[in-house]
Amino acid sequence: SAVISQKPSRDICQRGTSLTIQCQVDSQVTMMFWYRQQPGQSLTLIATANQGSEATYESGFVIDKFPISRPNLTFSTLTVSNMSPEDSSIYLCSVVGLAGVTRENEQFFGPGTRLTVL
Amino acid sequence: KQEVTQIPAALSVPEGENLVLNCSFTDSAIYNLQWFRQDPGKGLTSLLLIQSSQREQTSGRLNASLDKSSGRSTLYIAASQPGDSATYLCAVNNAGNMLTFGGGTRLMVKP
Repeated sequence: SAVISQKPSRDICQRGTSLTIQCQVDSQVTMMFWYRQQPGQSLTLIATANQGSEATYESGFVIDKFPISRPNLTFSTLTVSNMSPEDSSIYLCSVVGLAGVTRENEQFFGPGTRLTVL
Repeated sequence: KQEVTQIPAALSVPEGENLVLNCSFTDSAIYNLQWFRQDPGKGLTSLLLIQSSQREQTSGRLNASLDKSSGRSTLYIAASQPGDSATYLCAVNNAGNMLTFGGGTRLMVKP
């Protein structure tokens, strides 16, 4: 089965700085997404990462705060900008359309990036 | 706007019990419903996916059912084991593969 990796796996950052999280898939996928999981909460969709164009953001999330890139069919980045302690969360990428997956539209997740902002 | 609710929020059972986790959703116009497992500090593992046209899916000791008209899904775990201890998440796909998640059920299976 395909491997989805994220870098870094965790980080501790200072208020006001920015962190870029990478998501790499070892095969081409149709769709990529970014989710946030705040402490003790479930997952919330941040945006759909569109290949070669601007991401599509969900209500409550904006490009200036969470710029996203997707230069090709296997890679995406999420930047958390001008961080505050409220940004402390696990950030997860997910993909749809993995080659060899028989269940249509089954979604798979990366291992997550645990971010702590001091 | 889709809302997904999972009951119970937490569950503790002795090893060997059969158990049922519940998921309800407000908008029945779904494409599919997916059950995930999340271990502490880890990502999500896909367990089962039920398409909107299906009534149930089985994988090993797991069986998931879907009643789209009533907005309900259940995850049945047979003969529970301590290794089943995790948080189980239900997620609904309404359109565009954007998932709406429930709050999860934290399961503890005691030896």
